[in-house]
Amino acid sequence: GAGVSQSPSNKVTEKGKDVELRCDPISGHTALYWYRQSLGQGLEFLIYFQGNSAPDKSGLPSDRFSAERTGGSVSTLTIQRTQQEDSAVYLCASSLGGRQGIGAQYFGPGTRLTVL
Amino acid sequence: AQSVSQHNHHVILSEAASLELGCNYSYGGTVNLFWYVQYPGQHLQLLLKYFSGDPLVKGIKGFEAEFIKSKFSFNLRKPSVQWSDTAEYFCAVNVYNTDKLIFGTGTRLQVFP
Repeated sequence: GAGVSQSPSNKVTEKGKDVELRCDPISGHTALYWYRQSLGQGLEFLIYFQGNSAPDKSGLPSDRFSAERTGGSVSTLTIQRTQQEDSAVYLCASSLGGRQGIGAQYFGPGTRLTVL
Repeated sequence: AQSVSQHNHHVILSEAASLELGCNYSYGGTVNLFWYVQYPGQHLQLLLKYFSGDPLVKGIKGFEAEFIKSKFSFNLRKPSVQWSDTAEYFCAVNVYNTDKLIFGTGTRLQVFP
């Protein structure tokens, strides 16, 4: 595809339910990032995948959050037992990876998650 | 921990006014610096970046930024803004040899014709 795509674009869920957010990176991009954008909080790094290396999970806020990347392409961010404070826009980005990729991150449109 | 501060949360200007958005970071070592822009209803996109060399960096749409190492700053400037510059602007820092970007909280710019 031409850019990073994310689905769903909007998700409304009830507190305590699990949700899955999907990201399709740009073909050929080996690096994939998840961020969370909350009102007035900027972009918060969540997790980073680079090729076949172990992901950098240092930004995940709790063990309710997990992510996987299958076949080095599509990624799924899972939030278990959602809480109201999880409401935010979840952004995915991809890049070529390595030093040439730093900064040249291409962002998707985001998934707006609302937890009631 | 590294952090990025954008002190201007909301800036309102008239067309043709000059723009300067502040960005300061906290890290004493080598950094790469970026400005991203998010136009209404659109994705985040890279405006300009600094890796090394000339500390005055020129980006798209007439924007430029100056890296002042002694001040830990990377302020964004444009001599004459247009209505189409209305957007949210994010400063970001990458600590050398890491793969994460640390973003500021963003500055919302509104330009009135």
